[in-house]
Amino acid sequence: AQTVTQSQPEMSVQEAETVTLSCTYDTSESDYYLFWYKQPPSRQMILVIRQEAYKQQNATENRFSVNFQKAAKSFSLKISDSQLGDAAMYFCAFLRLTYGNKLVFGAGTILRVKS
Amino acid sequence: AAGVIQSPRHLIKEKRETATLKCYPISRHDTVYWYQQGPGQDPQFLISFYEKMQSDKGSIPDRFSAQQFSDYHSELNMSSLELGDSALYFCASSKGQGVFTGELFFGEGSRLTVL
Repeated sequence: AQTVTQSQPEMSVQEAETVTLSCTYDTSESDYYLFWYKQPPSRQMILVIRQEAYKQQNATENRFSVNFQKAAKSFSLKISDSQLGDAAMYFCAFLRLTYGNKLVFGAGTILRVKS
Repeated sequence: AAGVIQSPRHLIKEKRETATLKCYPISRHDTVYWYQQGPGQDPQFLISFYEKMQSDKGSIPDRFSAQQFSDYHSELNMSSLELGDSALYFCASSKGQGVFTGELFFGEGSRLTVL
């Protein structure tokens, strides 16, 4: 079974600064997706960024980028120029491309942004 | 385009009652997923359907059942409700096997409170 580990229950960052959230996963699969989801107080699940395992290039979405280390099974999220609106729970998630395509989530990291 | 629609958004039930949650996927999405998120927890996969057939099953209690209908909407039926069933229930949809585009689209969730 796949497992996703987020070792940082909580992180803080000063507005306009950069923060990195960590995620490791365990799988024997070679073909999969990795995601970072943001869950603000509204509890909506918002996709931040996704990475396909077969792509070596790290995904980027504006201020959000990942450091995908496939051999190390590591998938960290870097948020640059942090904004107050970035404050939320962030979940790392793994999806194995099989019949079902279910997502497995990590425990989450609460990100606090200080003004 | 309309996103994933879940109803009701909020539901309050007594112990031992029955509840039904509905999910309407994005147009032309043939796969539906159900997740349960307890307070302070990460979302847990319950069950998924592809083309009206169950495609994967997670930690769904025997008291729960679900199905996907011909119009691809899905319903999650929960019977003999327990206090521990109080949670946010997410539905997500995607295009299915073989044409999966790497993204699950989440609804806003249905919050069930069992008293």
